[in-house]
Parts: sequence; C-alpha cells; structure tokens
Amino acid sequence: QKEVEQNSGPLSVPEGAIASLNCTYSDRVSQSFFWYRQYSGKSPELIMSIYSNGDKEDGRFTAQLNKASQYVSLLIRDSQPSDSATYLCAVLSYNTDKLIFGTGTRLQVFP
Amino acid sequence: NAGVTQTPKFQVLKTGQSMTLQCAQDMNHNSMYWYRQDPGMGLRLIYYSASEGTTDKGEVPNGYNVSRLNKREFSLRLESAAPSQTSVYFCASRGTSGYNEQFFGPGTRLTVL
Repeated sequence: QKEVEQNSGPLSVPEGAIASLNCTYSDRVSQSFFWYRQYSGKSPELIMSIYSNGDKEDGRFTAQLNKASQYVSLLIRDSQPSDSATYLCAVLSYNTDKLIFGTGTRLQVFP
Repeated sequence: NAGVTQTPKFQVLKTGQSMTLQCAQDMNHNSMYWYRQDPGMGLRLIYYSASEGTTDKGEVPNGYNVSRLNKREFSLRLESAAPSQTSVYFCASRGTSGYNEQFFGPGTRLTVL
C-alpha cells in the first residue's frame, strides 16, 4: 500500500462546477497535510495546509481532514480553466523531517 | 524575499560529465531537500538536510552527492552524469516551527545525452 494515495485522473469538470480531489494516507500518526498545485513545466506551489479535523477555507479552496478515516480532500468551488493543473497531496508524519507526496491528480476544467 | 532559488534553470550534459546544482533559501528554514520528478513517477526525494551540517539519503540517492554549505545553501552534485539522470530537479525548504510548510524552487531541467 502506498503511503499517500491519489487518483491520477484526469478529473474533468465544467467551468463553474465544484472539483473534488481526494487523498488517503496510511500513517495514523500523520499530523500535517498539504495541497500543492503544479502547472505543467512549473514547480509545486503550496495552496492549502490543514492540521485539525474539519474544514479549512481559503477563497475558492476548502481543505477537509478526517483523521479517523485517514482522508484529506480539496474542494475547488467555481472551477476555472486556470485551475487546470496537477494537484499533489502531501503528508508530514510525527517526528519526521520528510513530506510524503502522492503522485497527484490531474484536473481539467473545460469552458 | 526571493524564497527558494535554483541555478541553473536548464542544463545539457554529456554522459560522464559532472555538474553542481545550486539552491539557496532566504526564509531561515532549517530543512532543505532535493527531489527529482520524472513523468509518471511523481516527486522522489534524493537527499535532505534537517539542519546545517547534516545530510541524509532519501529514496533515490545513488549517483548524487550533496553539501549543506550553510543554513541558506544546499547543493546537489552529479559526479558522472548518466542518461538515467535526465529529469527535472527541485530544491525545497521547510520551516520546523509553526506550520512546517515546505516551499519549492523553480526547478532545473537537466538533460544527459
């Protein structure tokens, strides 16, 4: 079992819809969770961090964390073609110096 | 405040040549990382440094060496480049207090012929 799992996609949504990206992790003592956006040919850009169970909202983005189910998700409201990118989920476990990354979900938003 | 910077942006090497990729951060972060990213493989950790003066192997260290020159700088060296090292290389740094967020540099696209 991979430590951090994401569906590779592509996830295709129409402009204006809600895009829902999901991530599961295997280490129960994971404590910090991150979502990165990576455009083709560019470096990963941090867009959300979440540490506590529940929802965290930032503009059109909402991160959701459920530690009991070992599940973290990213919702993008009012999706725009400019949101088309690969989204990487990353997890930091307790007492470690390394983020564990999923392989990413490719999101396509069509007009 | 430039964040994480990397040089060069692009490089073409011949098999057997050596080169050093440079990375610097101005966020006063303790931890620094080198990753490579290949199509379909995701980000793979090559080496990391939890603090000045320490380095540790990651998932794919063979063929690479690193130096943590000071708190700001972390370099990656290819002693004898091989075509299998053709990749995009990213440097990153992470704070170890507060939110522990990790930030990436712009990357170096390396081709080994």
